[in-house]
Amino acid sequence: DQQVKQNSPSLSVQEGRISILNCDYTNSMFDYFLWYKKYPAEGPTFLISISSIKDKNEDGRFTVFLNKSAKHLSLHIVPSQPGDSAVYFCAASLNYGGATNKLIFGTGTLLAVQP
Amino acid sequence: KAGVTQTPRYLIKTRGQQVTLSCSPISGHRSVSWYQQTPGQGLQFLFEYFSETQRNKGNFPGRFSGRQFSNSRSEMNVSTLELGDSALYLCASSEGTGYEKLFFGSGTQLSVL
Repeated sequence: DQQVKQNSPSLSVQEGRISILNCDYTNSMFDYFLWYKKYPAEGPTFLISISSIKDKNEDGRFTVFLNKSAKHLSLHIVPSQPGDSAVYFCAASLNYGGATNKLIFGTGTLLAVQP
Repeated sequence: KAGVTQTPRYLIKTRGQQVTLSCSPISGHRSVSWYQQTPGQGLQFLFEYFSETQRNKGNFPGRFSGRQFSNSRSEMNVSTLELGDSALYLCASSEGTGYEKLFFGSGTQLSVL
């Protein structure tokens, strides 16, 4: 049962344009969401997170939107740069009832930013 | 601060053997969690240790085990290796308070022949 889904395996965007990566989840109890970027042969690097009490969080070129009613979150990268080319994972956790670092990850979206 | 350190970086084993992977968290971090990454499966949670106690466990067979020492360093062990255990094993650390980002190491690439 895939509780966190990234339905687009890949995305190609022109440099300077907006990249939008999407993620859907099924467990309405998830209360914390994160986005990670991963290059081959390296560990994931944290990008941005959002708590379920918010619907938007922004950090520089990165903005995450959360739509709880649709169980959907998205990551916007503006403007996109060639160095953003990587695999992007969304992840969710359920901290209600006790702190946890058990993250449920999606299968990732490969972003290619074309110069 | 030094990042999360995982050793060894690469490992080749044969079926039936056992293997131990090591993880040194960021100084001051009390939580260490382990993830398995295989092609097409994303990252799968194995277990989390906090202050030497297993706090959470994923859906992996008992051949996968771990422990955490008093200095927060952690090891995971896989016994009776199977071909399907070939994967990138990632360790992540954090303060362990919840609602926080995890810092990942570069991983150990395990190949089972």
